[in-house]
Amino acid sequence: AQKVTQAQTEISVVEKEDVTLDCVYETRDTTYYLFWYKQPPSGELVFLIRRNSFDEQNEISGRYSWNFQKSTSSFNFTITASQVVDSAVYFCAQTGTASKLTFGTGTRLQVTL
Amino acid sequence: GAGVSQSPSNKVTEKGKDVELRCDPISGHTALYWYRQSLGQGLEFLIYFQGNSAPDKSGLPSDRFSAERTGGSVSTLTIQRTQQEDSAVYLCASSQTGNNNGELFFGEGSRLTVL
Repeated sequence: AQKVTQAQTEISVVEKEDVTLDCVYETRDTTYYLFWYKQPPSGELVFLIRRNSFDEQNEISGRYSWNFQKSTSSFNFTITASQVVDSAVYFCAQTGTASKLTFGTGTRLQVTL
Repeated sequence: GAGVSQSPSNKVTEKGKDVELRCDPISGHTALYWYRQSLGQGLEFLIYFQGNSAPDKSGLPSDRFSAERTGGSVSTLTIQRTQQEDSAVYLCASSQTGNNNGELFFGEGSRLTVL
């Protein structure tokens, strides 16, 4: 069975601080995909990134970066120089041989001025 | 529109009534998913359709829940004899391939309140 754990329920930072959102996954599949989604106050989930299990190369996209480590089953997400517009709930998710996406419980990020 | 469309956006019903929630996926997307998000909770998988294959119903919480997808496009999620614990936001998503490497596009959800 797949499981995604986001231990941080809520994080509060001041604008311009860096923040890392943790994600730990469990799976017996050798091929799997990991995702991060953002859910702003409007409610619609927005896809941020997808990684496959064979590609541990870290990725950077603007202020966003992702650190995938199979050794610790983690796929952490860092926002550099956070902004108020980053305030949202962030979900880590996983698929394996079954196509359904299993989500973590989410981390609510609050960025204040 | 270009995105996933869901209706109604809000539904208030009385306990015991049946409700239908509709999802119109992005044109050409073969895979369609229903998720449920209770207040302050994560997303709970309900059901998944991929093309003409039998749907994966493993997430449906009870036999009061059912879903169908007609013509490989529009999907309807039906909840019979609603209970208060059914109150949640029901999210629909579609993806182009249905392979587990596909990006899911979500609708804005249907908020169901059972009184």
